[in-house]
Amino acid sequence: KNEVEQSPQNLTAQEGEFITINCSYSVGISALHWLQQHPGGGIVSLFMLSSGKKKHGRLIATINIQEKHSSLHITASHPRDSAVYICAVSPGSNYQLIWGAGTKLIIKP
Amino acid sequence: EAGVAQSPRYKIIEKRQSVAFWCNPISGHATLYWYQQILGQGPKLLIQFQNNGVVDDSQLPKDRFSAERLKGVDSTLKIQPAKLEDSAVYLCASSVLTRGGEQYFGPGTRLTVT
Repeated sequence: KNEVEQSPQNLTAQEGEFITINCSYSVGISALHWLQQHPGGGIVSLFMLSSGKKKHGRLIATINIQEKHSSLHITASHPRDSAVYICAVSPGSNYQLIWGAGTKLIIKP
Repeated sequence: EAGVAQSPRYKIIEKRQSVAFWCNPISGHATLYWYQQILGQGPKLLIQFQNNGVVDDSQLPKDRFSAERLKGVDSTLKIQPAKLEDSAVYLCASSVLTRGGEQYFGPGTRLTVT
């Protein structure tokens, strides 16, 4: 079993829909990261959080430390949001990130 | 604030040839990472530097890969000789903190070995 599990693996939605991507982890962490990767492109850090909720534009990230679960939400989705969204955790014991497998999101116009 | 810079963006070489990638981290970031991302997989950490010292290179194939970070700023990653399975995107990232800090990624170098 992977230490970081994301769901769904693939998601296709229509423009304007509310999107939720989930991340569950099984290790103790100091922080959880949500990152975005466009096809052929580099990775962009969206959020780093250790508790509660963060919002940036149409993106919202939440984390429940007790349940070891985080969600990334996109409101009013747009085709330019199409990308792979990756959840990664910083374990409390060391410095390496543990990466989820990513969720490939396609938003159709 | 300038982001993490990488060059080249794309490189095509034949197997057994050599290649080098360059990374310039965000100013003031002490920690620098090199990742290898094979198509369809998550990034794999190759090496982590703290200033000009190596923190972790346990997953670096040392028979063919080498990396250095002279003066604790820029870094180069070299592959010599390249194999077909080295085809991947090589990502450089930097962070202020060694542990748990937010990592800022460069655009990556896409390497194709033929």
